[in-house]
Amino acid sequence: SAVISQKPSRDICQRGTSLTIQCQVDSQVTMMFWYRQQPGQSLTLIATANQGSEATYESGFVIDKFPISRPNLTFSTLTVSNMSPEDSSIYLCSVGGQVYGYTFGSGTRLTVV
Amino acid sequence: DQQVKQNSPSLSVQEGRISILNCDYTNSMFDYFLWYKKYPAEGPTFLISISSIKDKNEDGRFTVFLNKSAKHLSLHIVPSQPGDSAVYFCAASPKNSGGSNYKLTFGKGTLLTVNP
Repeated sequence: SAVISQKPSRDICQRGTSLTIQCQVDSQVTMMFWYRQQPGQSLTLIATANQGSEATYESGFVIDKFPISRPNLTFSTLTVSNMSPEDSSIYLCSVGGQVYGYTFGSGTRLTVV
Repeated sequence: DQQVKQNSPSLSVQEGRISILNCDYTNSMFDYFLWYKKYPAEGPTFLISISSIKDKNEDGRFTVFLNKSAKHLSLHIVPSQPGDSAVYFCAASPKNSGGSNYKLTFGKGTLLTVNP
């Protein structure tokens, strides 16, 4: 299965600022997924990122707040923009599919103060 | 509306005994189910999966049972080991629909503690 390097592992940010999270995969993948896990909640899909096209966002998530880049088949970034304390969560990227399962990055623990 | 529910936030068992983690779902479009294990400060790790055409899948100490009529699945760990202590997430994926088979819907997780 793929190996994902995600960074930063954690950050504390001031409200109103933005943070960009990076995920690097050790193999080429078609789809990459971005999830959020708020405290005490389940993992929720933010968007699906295909290389060369705009990301597809789930209900409740918008591109202006969570812009995503997917410049090639091994890399993606998620930016959390104009942050507020409600954005404090763990953010995870993921690759894979039904046949071989999904692999997750180690997560980025974001605290907004 | 929570489509995948893990009603037990925590479970504690003795080493060597069986651990049974439960999961219920409401969306009849789900046809593939997965269990993930998560240690603190790490991402979820794929554990075992089951397709809706089966009712049981076994991998070593881990067995997943699926009851489609009840929309219920369970993960059995036998025998339980202290290293199994982690948060276990149930996840489900719908039938293929324009690529949506890749979407995972997760439960909130169950914290399993295996005591030596």
